[in-house]
Amino acid sequence: QKEVEQNSGPLSVPEGAIASLNCTYSDRGSQSFFWYRQYSGKSPELIMFIYSNGDKEDGRFTAQLNKASQYVSLLIRDSQPSDSATYLCAVKRGSTLGRLYFGRGTQLTVWP
Amino acid sequence: DGGITQSPKYLFRKEGQNVTLSCEQNLNHDAMYWYRQDPGQGLRLIYYSQIVNDFQKGDIAEGYSVSREKKESFPLTVTSAQKNPTAFYLCASSRVPTGGSTDTQYFGPGTRLTVL
Repeated sequence: QKEVEQNSGPLSVPEGAIASLNCTYSDRGSQSFFWYRQYSGKSPELIMFIYSNGDKEDGRFTAQLNKASQYVSLLIRDSQPSDSATYLCAVKRGSTLGRLYFGRGTQLTVWP
Repeated sequence: DGGITQSPKYLFRKEGQNVTLSCEQNLNHDAMYWYRQDPGQGLRLIYYSQIVNDFQKGDIAEGYSVSREKKESFPLTVTSAQKNPTAFYLCASSRVPTGGSTDTQYFGPGTRLTVL
Protein backbone atom coordinates (compact mmCIF):
# COMPACT_ATOMS: atom_id res chain seq x y z
CA GLN A 1 0.00 0.00 0.00
CA LYS A 2 1.37 3.37 -0.96
CA GLU A 3 1.99 5.92 1.76
CA VAL A 4 -0.10 8.58 0.04
CA GLU A 5 -2.64 7.96 -2.70
CA GLN A 6 -4.39 10.40 -5.00
CA ASN A 7 -6.65 9.95 -7.98
CA SER A 8 -4.39 10.72 -10.90
CA GLY A 9 -7.23 12.21 -12.90
CA PRO A 10 -7.36 14.05 -15.07
CA LEU A 11 -10.13 15.99 -13.37
CA SER A 12 -11.92 18.41 -15.62
CA VAL A 13 -14.34 21.07 -14.36
CA PRO A 14 -15.93 24.14 -15.96
CA GLU A 15 -14.93 27.63 -14.93
CA GLY A 16 -16.78 28.72 -11.79
CA ALA A 17 -17.38 25.18 -10.52
CA ILE A 18 -16.01 23.56 -7.38
CA ALA A 19 -13.06 21.23 -7.90
CA SER A 20 -12.62 18.50 -5.31
CA LEU A 21 -9.26 16.80 -4.92
CA ASN A 22 -8.84 13.81 -2.65
CA CYS A 23 -5.95 12.14 -0.86
CA THR A 24 -5.69 9.16 1.48
CA TYR A 25 -2.71 8.14 3.60
CA SER A 26 -1.67 4.91 5.25
CA ASP A 27 0.17 5.96 8.43
CA ARG A 28 -2.19 6.77 11.31
CA GLY A 29 0.64 8.61 13.03
CA SER A 30 0.72 11.28 10.33
CA GLN A 31 0.17 14.72 11.74
CA SER A 32 0.85 17.33 9.07
CA PHE A 33 -0.73 17.55 5.64
CA PHE A 34 0.19 19.79 2.76
CA TRP A 35 -1.24 20.67 -0.63
CA TYR A 36 1.10 21.88 -3.36
CA ARG A 37 0.24 23.13 -6.83
CA GLN A 38 2.59 22.39 -9.71
CA TYR A 39 2.27 23.98 -13.11
CA SER A 40 3.68 22.06 -16.04
CA GLY A 41 7.46 22.31 -16.10
CA LYS A 42 7.61 24.25 -12.84
CA SER A 43 8.37 23.40 -9.23
CA PRO A 44 5.67 22.79 -6.60
CA GLU A 45 4.35 25.76 -4.67
CA LEU A 46 2.58 25.52 -1.35
CA ILE A 47 -1.15 26.19 -1.30
CA MET A 48 -2.15 25.14 2.20
CA PHE A 49 -1.24 23.01 5.17
CA ILE A 50 -3.54 21.53 7.79
CA TYR A 51 -2.87 19.84 11.11
CA SER A 52 -6.23 19.55 12.85
CA ASN A 53 -9.39 17.68 11.98
CA GLY A 54 -11.97 19.79 10.21
CA ASP A 55 -11.83 22.50 7.61
CA LYS A 56 -9.31 25.23 6.96
CA GLU A 57 -10.16 27.97 4.52
CA ASP A 58 -7.87 30.35 2.64
CA GLY A 59 -9.56 32.40 -0.02
CA ARG A 60 -11.03 30.09 -2.66
CA PHE A 61 -9.25 27.07 -1.17
CA THR A 62 -10.52 24.82 1.62
CA ALA A 63 -8.55 21.92 3.05
CA GLN A 64 -10.48 19.22 4.90
CA LEU A 65 -8.90 16.68 7.21
CA ASN A 66 -10.44 13.54 8.70
CA LYS A 67 -7.80 11.64 10.65
CA ALA A 68 -10.17 8.83 11.61
CA SER A 69 -10.73 8.07 7.94
CA GLN A 70 -7.13 8.98 7.01
CA TYR A 71 -8.41 11.32 4.38
CA VAL A 72 -7.52 14.85 3.35
CA SER A 73 -9.09 16.86 0.58
CA LEU A 74 -8.75 20.20 -1.18
CA LEU A 75 -11.73 22.10 -2.49
CA ILE A 76 -11.27 24.91 -4.98
CA ARG A 77 -14.30 27.17 -5.24
CA ASP A 78 -15.03 29.34 -8.27
CA SER A 79 -12.42 27.45 -10.28
CA GLN A 80 -10.47 29.49 -12.81
CA PRO A 81 -8.53 28.38 -15.90
CA SER A 82 -5.41 29.55 -14.04
CA ASP A 83 -6.06 26.80 -11.49
CA SER A 84 -5.27 24.20 -14.16
CA ALA A 85 -2.26 22.36 -12.76
CA THR A 86 -1.24 19.20 -10.96
CA TYR A 87 -2.05 19.17 -7.26
CA LEU A 88 0.24 17.22 -4.97
CA CYS A 89 -0.76 15.94 -1.56
CA ALA A 90 2.06 15.52 0.97
CA VAL A 91 2.02 13.98 4.41
CA LYS A 92 4.50 14.25 7.27
CA ARG A 93 4.70 11.79 10.08
CA GLY A 94 5.15 12.94 13.63
CA SER A 95 5.38 16.42 15.02
CA THR A 96 9.12 16.97 14.57
CA LEU A 97 11.13 17.81 11.51
CA GLY A 98 10.93 15.01 9.04
CA ARG A 99 10.49 13.95 5.50
CA LEU A 100 7.38 14.42 3.42
CA TYR A 101 5.64 11.61 1.57
CA PHE A 102 4.08 12.75 -1.70
CA GLY A 103 1.22 11.37 -3.71
CA ARG A 104 1.48 11.18 -7.50
CA GLY A 105 -0.68 14.22 -7.92
CA THR A 106 -4.04 14.93 -9.52
CA GLN A 107 -4.10 16.82 -12.81
CA LEU A 108 -6.84 19.45 -12.86
CA THR A 109 -8.12 21.18 -15.97
CA VAL A 110 -10.55 24.09 -15.68
CA TRP A 111 -12.15 24.88 -19.01
CA PRO A 112 -13.66 28.28 -19.85
CA ASP B 1 14.92 38.50 -1.94
CA GLY B 2 14.90 35.31 0.08
CA GLY B 3 14.59 32.05 -1.73
CA ILE B 4 16.07 28.88 -3.09
CA THR B 5 18.17 28.84 -6.22
CA GLN B 6 19.11 25.84 -8.30
CA SER B 7 21.56 25.72 -11.14
CA PRO B 8 21.76 24.96 -13.90
CA LYS B 9 18.15 25.01 -15.11
CA TYR B 10 18.94 22.45 -17.81
CA LEU B 11 21.79 19.97 -17.79
CA PHE B 12 22.88 17.42 -20.34
CA ARG B 13 25.12 14.56 -19.39
CA LYS B 14 26.84 11.89 -21.35
CA GLU B 15 26.65 8.36 -20.06
CA GLY B 16 29.44 7.59 -17.62
CA GLN B 17 29.84 11.17 -16.42
CA ASN B 18 29.28 12.52 -12.94
CA VAL B 19 27.42 15.81 -12.69
CA THR B 20 26.75 18.09 -9.73
CA LEU B 21 23.53 20.03 -9.25
CA SER B 22 23.69 23.17 -7.16
CA CYS B 23 21.17 24.21 -4.49
CA GLU B 24 21.54 27.37 -2.43
CA GLN B 25 19.10 28.98 0.01
CA ASN B 26 19.17 32.26 1.89
CA LEU B 27 16.12 31.56 4.03
CA ASN B 28 18.23 30.55 7.04
CA HIS B 29 16.58 27.13 6.94
CA ASP B 30 18.27 24.29 8.77
CA ALA B 31 16.86 21.44 6.71
CA MET B 32 17.37 20.79 3.02
CA TYR B 33 16.07 18.06 0.73
CA TRP B 34 16.60 16.61 -2.73
CA TYR B 35 13.75 15.05 -4.70
CA ARG B 36 13.49 13.45 -8.08
CA GLN B 37 10.37 13.69 -10.25
CA ASP B 38 9.70 11.55 -13.30
CA PRO B 39 6.88 12.30 -15.78
CA GLY B 40 3.48 11.58 -14.24
CA GLN B 41 5.06 10.66 -10.93
CA GLY B 42 5.12 12.20 -7.51
CA LEU B 43 8.27 13.36 -5.78
CA ARG B 44 10.70 10.76 -4.51
CA LEU B 45 13.19 11.65 -1.79
CA ILE B 46 16.86 11.16 -2.60
CA TYR B 47 18.67 12.67 0.40
CA TYR B 48 17.91 15.10 3.17
CA SER B 49 19.91 17.02 5.75
CA GLN B 50 18.70 18.53 9.00
CA ILE B 51 21.97 20.11 10.05
CA VAL B 52 25.37 20.99 8.64
CA ASN B 53 27.72 18.03 8.18
CA ASP B 54 24.92 15.50 8.54
CA PHE B 55 22.56 13.95 5.99
CA GLN B 56 20.35 10.88 5.59
CA LYS B 57 19.43 8.68 2.66
CA GLY B 58 15.93 8.87 1.29
CA ASP B 59 14.12 6.23 -0.71
CA ILE B 60 16.26 6.33 -3.86
CA ALA B 61 19.78 7.31 -2.75
CA GLU B 62 21.64 4.74 -4.86
CA GLY B 63 23.76 6.42 -7.51
CA TYR B 64 23.63 9.82 -5.81
CA SER B 65 25.81 11.62 -3.28
CA VAL B 66 25.48 14.86 -1.31
CA SER B 67 27.43 17.10 1.02
CA ARG B 68 26.37 19.71 3.56
CA GLU B 69 29.41 21.78 4.43
CA LYS B 70 27.47 25.04 4.75
CA LYS B 71 23.99 25.74 6.01
CA GLU B 72 23.11 27.53 2.78
CA SER B 73 24.27 24.87 0.34
CA PHE B 74 23.31 21.26 -0.40
CA PRO B 75 24.80 20.09 -3.73
CA LEU B 76 23.73 16.80 -5.30
CA THR B 77 26.08 14.70 -7.41
CA VAL B 78 24.54 12.29 -9.88
CA THR B 79 27.14 9.61 -10.40
CA SER B 80 27.65 7.24 -13.29
CA ALA B 81 26.24 4.51 -11.05
CA GLN B 82 22.76 6.02 -11.44
CA LYS B 83 21.39 4.00 -14.34
CA ASN B 84 18.44 6.15 -15.29
CA PRO B 85 19.20 9.72 -14.21
CA THR B 86 17.04 11.61 -16.70
CA ALA B 87 14.52 13.43 -14.51
CA PHE B 88 13.49 16.72 -12.95
CA TYR B 89 15.46 17.37 -9.75
CA LEU B 90 13.99 19.53 -7.04
CA CYS B 91 15.69 20.97 -4.00
CA ALA B 92 13.67 22.10 -0.98
CA SER B 93 14.34 23.60 2.42
CA SER B 94 12.48 24.08 5.67
CA ARG B 95 12.88 25.46 9.18
CA VAL B 96 13.08 23.33 12.27
CA PRO B 97 9.70 23.77 13.97
CA THR B 98 9.70 25.81 17.16
CA GLY B 99 6.61 26.80 19.08
CA GLY B 100 3.75 27.30 16.69
CA SER B 101 5.82 27.50 13.52
CA THR B 102 5.72 24.93 10.79
CA ASP B 103 8.42 23.10 8.92
CA THR B 104 6.78 23.59 5.57
CA GLN B 105 9.07 22.74 2.71
CA TYR B 106 9.66 25.32 0.01
CA PHE B 107 11.01 24.35 -3.37
CA GLY B 108 13.60 25.76 -5.73
CA PRO B 109 12.87 26.08 -9.46
CA GLY B 110 14.41 22.70 -10.31
CA THR B 111 17.05 21.32 -12.64
CA ARG B 112 16.07 19.21 -15.61
CA LEU B 113 18.77 16.59 -16.29
CA THR B 114 18.92 14.71 -19.56
CA VAL B 115 21.32 11.89 -20.30
CA LEU B 116 22.41 11.79 -23.93
